[in-house]
Amino acid sequence: DTGVSQDPRHKITKRGQNVTFRCDPISEHNRLYWYRQTLGQGPEFLTYFQNEAQLEKSRLLSDRFSAERPKGSFSTLEIQRTEQGDSAMYLCASSSQPGQGSSYEQYFGPGTRLTVT
Amino acid sequence: AQSVTQPDIHITVSEGASLELRCNYSYGATPYLFWYVQSPGQGLQLLLKYFSGDTLVQGIKGFEAEFKRSQSSFNLRKPSVHWSDAAEYFCAVGEPQGAQKLVFGQGTRLTINP
Repeated sequence: DTGVSQDPRHKITKRGQNVTFRCDPISEHNRLYWYRQTLGQGPEFLTYFQNEAQLEKSRLLSDRFSAERPKGSFSTLEIQRTEQGDSAMYLCASSSQPGQGSSYEQYFGPGTRLTVT
Repeated sequence: AQSVTQPDIHITVSEGASLELRCNYSYGATPYLFWYVQSPGQGLQLLLKYFSGDTLVQGIKGFEAEFKRSQSSFNLRKPSVHWSDAAEYFCAVGEPQGAQKLVFGQGTRLTINP
């Protein structure tokens, strides 16, 4: 078990460009979450998947944001036409579905820090 | 709607001193409660969690937390801090059902004086 990994760790982009981040969850976890953390704040929920199905999206997730988890394993988060307000740390977490013999807790990756210039 | 308040933005304690970080939550029922720690530029590491049962829970790195339903609080404590405890600490509540997404407080930054 290598934990949750995210790639890239840092991304600098110019306003208006598209960016894509990847998250690889812990292999046996079927739930995957995306959070956004701005400077000096706690993480805020963006969206979550159970297997390949995206079951909930926050109102923070504007139509410029799209997330996928095509085979129920890794996930991608794409931001189109980036804005300076998108600058933040994007965190991915994974967990087991409750009742699968594992207590409910989310394991976080190291995050992708996005800077939009 | 769920919410979490961490009243202290920044706390400074001396190495070896005791520590208490405050957390108050708002939720319609008994939520799942968590404390996470975040070192600079890193993701979050779970320190401890409360789901049900004994209201005093033990975690990693010598931390403990006490759930007080009457005060809607879940304060984190450590009897003697070490310089390596300097970090940002986040309290979070989770829904027992459904998406079980986490709602985090603003965080408390802990500085340790030598």
